[in-house]
Amino acid sequence: GQQLNQSPQSMFIQEGEDVSMNCTSSSIFNTWLWYKQDPGEGPVLLIALYKAGELTSNGRLTAQFGITRKDSFLNISASIPSDVGIYFCAGHISNQFYFGTGTSLTVIP
Amino acid sequence: NAGVTQTPKFQVLKTGQSMTLQCAQDMNHEYMSWYRQDPGMGLRLIHYSVGAGITDQGEVPNGYNVSRSTTEDFPLRLLSAAPSQTSVYFCASSYSFYSYEQYFGPGTRLTVT
Repeated sequence: GQQLNQSPQSMFIQEGEDVSMNCTSSSIFNTWLWYKQDPGEGPVLLIALYKAGELTSNGRLTAQFGITRKDSFLNISASIPSDVGIYFCAGHISNQFYFGTGTSLTVIP
Repeated sequence: NAGVTQTPKFQVLKTGQSMTLQCAQDMNHEYMSWYRQDPGMGLRLIHYSVGAGITDQGEVPNGYNVSRSTTEDFPLRLLSAAPSQTSVYFCASSYSFYSYEQYFGPGTRLTVT
């Protein structure tokens, strides 16, 4: 199957700091997506990217679809306690979604 | 709308037992899918359906069967449970195959002893 590598695996940051995480693949994807998962719940879609080079924002979140179509980046500005959770990237190709292994974010008030 | 619902929330099975995980959505979505989530592995696609009567295999289909007789329901069947199937299972749906906004259910935590 497709391998999506997310980094970092975990982050511990102070409230108000900015966060950056990325996702890389050995394969090309047509769409990149970013999800957030809270404990005991299913993932929730944050941002979808449809075109290489695309930069999209959703409030304090900004994501980019890499030019090579093999990577994507997510930035969170001015983190707040409710940003805590696990962030997953996902790539879409040929009817299927492939997920990364997740970045666990802890925000220290 | 209830969104995507899954039952049961928790289940313990003995090796060799069979069971069906239920998934339903009330949003008239065409695309539905099942994932399993294991520690450190992210979510992996088991089976998916692009509409009633149409199903296909995902990344990890072995040991699981699905059917889609209605738009609303997409059950996942384990015919003979194995300890390797201990996982958290999520069902998801989206308006169509071309809509990437998937709505996930709350998950079913399955333990096979």
